[in-house]
Amino acid sequence: QVQLVESGGGVVQPGTSLRLSCTASGFTFSSYGLHWVRQAPGKGPEWVAVMSHDGSNKYYADSVKARFTISRDNSKSTLYLQMNSLRPEDTAVYYCAKEERVYYYSYAMDVWGQGTTVTVSS
Amino acid sequence: QSALTQPASVSGSPRQSITISCTGTSSDVGAYNYVSWYQQHPGKAPKLMIYDVTNRPSGVSNRFSGSKSGNTASLTISGLQAEDEAIYYCSSYTGTSTVLFGGGTKLTVL
Repeated sequence: QVQLVESGGGVVQPGTSLRLSCTASGFTFSSYGLHWVRQAPGKGPEWVAVMSHDGSNKYYADSVKARFTISRDNSKSTLYLQMNSLRPEDTAVYYCAKEERVYYYSYAMDVWGQGTTVTVSS
Repeated sequence: QSALTQPASVSGSPRQSITISCTGTSSDVGAYNYVSWYQQHPGKAPKLMIYDVTNRPSGVSNRFSGSKSGNTASLTISGLQAEDEAIYYCSSYTGTSTVLFGGGTKLTVL
């Protein structure tokens, strides 16, 4: 079945870095854009970033621009999120999510992973 | 950008219908038909219920429907069931290649 599995979360100190991974299965990975969405404790989801199916374009929320980098390796069916200069406000469950539309963006996410928790605290 | 505006809570009895609103601006909800709705149960990932304002993904009950008028989108759930109790979030494309979510609406089935 279609599945996304995130990994790489943990407890880190402010100012440090972390790389999240999202491994996909059950669909043609290279045909779909992929998003990162985070959800702080007790809050609603916050969109973080998206990368196109072929990696040719990527976009970020203002809150993470210049600190986070989204990338993908289609040969490994894996999406990444490199997070630098982490702040306490980055504390959240991070989900990767698959675009609903093949090749293009509908900005709807039809498959979500189970999430990985990132805690930024001194 | 501020989150899209949703009521904090709505409630209804089984078999009744409820509607959840999602208000944005002429730059997001009002400008594009890229409004989605998600259902989230405690401790679970969000689940896509509606996309492109009115479309239901395969497997989602036809009791769920979406609409839009001006800068406000709406999710209607008819024939309420106990399993519908959850938090519902709307989202919209913003025109700057980004996505904005609403603050969420907690649905209580009485």
